[in-house]
Amino acid sequence: QQQVKQSPQSLIVQKGGISIINCAYENTAFDYFPWYQQFPGKGPALLIAIRPDVSEKKEGRFTISFNKSAKQFSLHIMDSQPGDSATYFCAASLNSGYSTLTFGKGTMLLVSP
Amino acid sequence: SAVISQKPSRDICQRGTSLTIQCQVDSQVTMMFWYRQQPGQSLTLIATANQGSEATYESGFVIDKFPISRPNLTFSTLTVSNMSPEDSSIYLCSGRDRANTGELFFGEGSRLTVL
Repeated sequence: QQQVKQSPQSLIVQKGGISIINCAYENTAFDYFPWYQQFPGKGPALLIAIRPDVSEKKEGRFTISFNKSAKQFSLHIMDSQPGDSATYFCAASLNSGYSTLTFGKGTMLLVSP
Repeated sequence: SAVISQKPSRDICQRGTSLTIQCQVDSQVTMMFWYRQQPGQSLTLIATANQGSEATYESGFVIDKFPISRPNLTFSTLTVSNMSPEDSSIYLCSGRDRANTGELFFGEGSRLTVL
């Protein structure tokens, strides 16, 4: 069964700190790894995504680190802000995103002022 | 990315009734999906909505319970049939445009409560 395991389930970070969320996958054929951000009452929105030809991708304060040999990838939020408080989902799919996505269970992030 | 509109945004339904959720995308998309998200939980794929043909259902979901239509490239409906309290959930419509790097984007969701 294709699985994506996400941790931690919840995370509290002080304003200005670094938030780190980790995901691990089993299927070595996965080749597209997006992160989604979801605020209460809203649908998930794509935050950042990476493909396995690179080990890191950065967009503003958000960075994905990818370790192909360990089958792990993580989201780092630098200088975390209260507005980053949301639920974050990692996901993975085959064929660079053109097949269905398998989602992790989500991490509820709270950034305290 | 395209914008997805869903309606109703929320509803309270009686046990045994059925409800149809509508999903409209503001541009043509090649693929549309329906997900279920129970409160505080992750997203579970119900089915892929195929234009002009029967939807492709994931394990645990059947057409009799969740009939889906997709008459064109921008519109789809999901019906939750013969509802029970266990169907109380958020139902999310999503779309993917192959021309746009495969990004999957979501509507705001339809929150159903079954009494």
